[in-house]
Amino acid sequence: GEDVEQSLFLSVREGDSSVINCTYTDSSSTYLYWYKQEPGAGLQLLTYIFSNMDMKQDQRLTVLLNKKDKHLSLRIADTQTGDSAIYFCAESPTYSSASKIIFGSGTRLSIRP
Amino acid sequence: IAGITQAPTSQILAAGRRMTLRCTQDMRHNAMYWYRQDLGLGLRLIHYSNTAGTTGKGEVPDGYSVSRANTDDFPLTLASAVPSQTSVYFCASSRGEAHNEQFFGPGTRLTVL
Repeated sequence: GEDVEQSLFLSVREGDSSVINCTYTDSSSTYLYWYKQEPGAGLQLLTYIFSNMDMKQDQRLTVLLNKKDKHLSLRIADTQTGDSAIYFCAESPTYSSASKIIFGSGTRLSIRP
Repeated sequence: IAGITQAPTSQILAAGRRMTLRCTQDMRHNAMYWYRQDLGLGLRLIHYSNTAGTTGKGEVPDGYSVSRANTDDFPLTLASAVPSQTSVYFCASSRGEAHNEQFFGPGTRLTVL
């Protein structure tokens, strides 16, 4: 079945690294995504990784993919107050005839001074 | 307009009333989606449309209907609203390709009393 799981909350100190973890069940997913939702707004794509990659780095963001364990993580270096948001992991199953994305429940990242 | 818009921003509705949430995109995207977001449950897909003239059911379609008469518009109708439909509703669109980045509207906060 389709299921994307992530913890609901994460609290980190400003300046530290944040690591948000996600597990997914569909090994056929070609793309895996991280979306960010700021308060009162819709989701925005933060970054994505193609399934044949192990790692992708984009400035302060590092995405790690472990296909064997179906585990995806997002690391935010030097976490800032502006990083406070809900982060959604998502997969795009290739078996689906529709262009659907399966979202996790979201991890709320809070930053403490 | 640029991107994807939703109307109304928020609405309080009496149970049993009919309500249509509007969604319009100007990116000429093939695919459009309706999600509801509830605390702890993340985003759940209600209905989707891969292209104008076609629609499909998502994870939680009961009590909702959609139409896709043209590329730009994808209205969501609640025929007879119930309190369990109190939620934040997000419309999204995408090109519908393998790399399926979805662009989200700002959301409609609906309260059914």
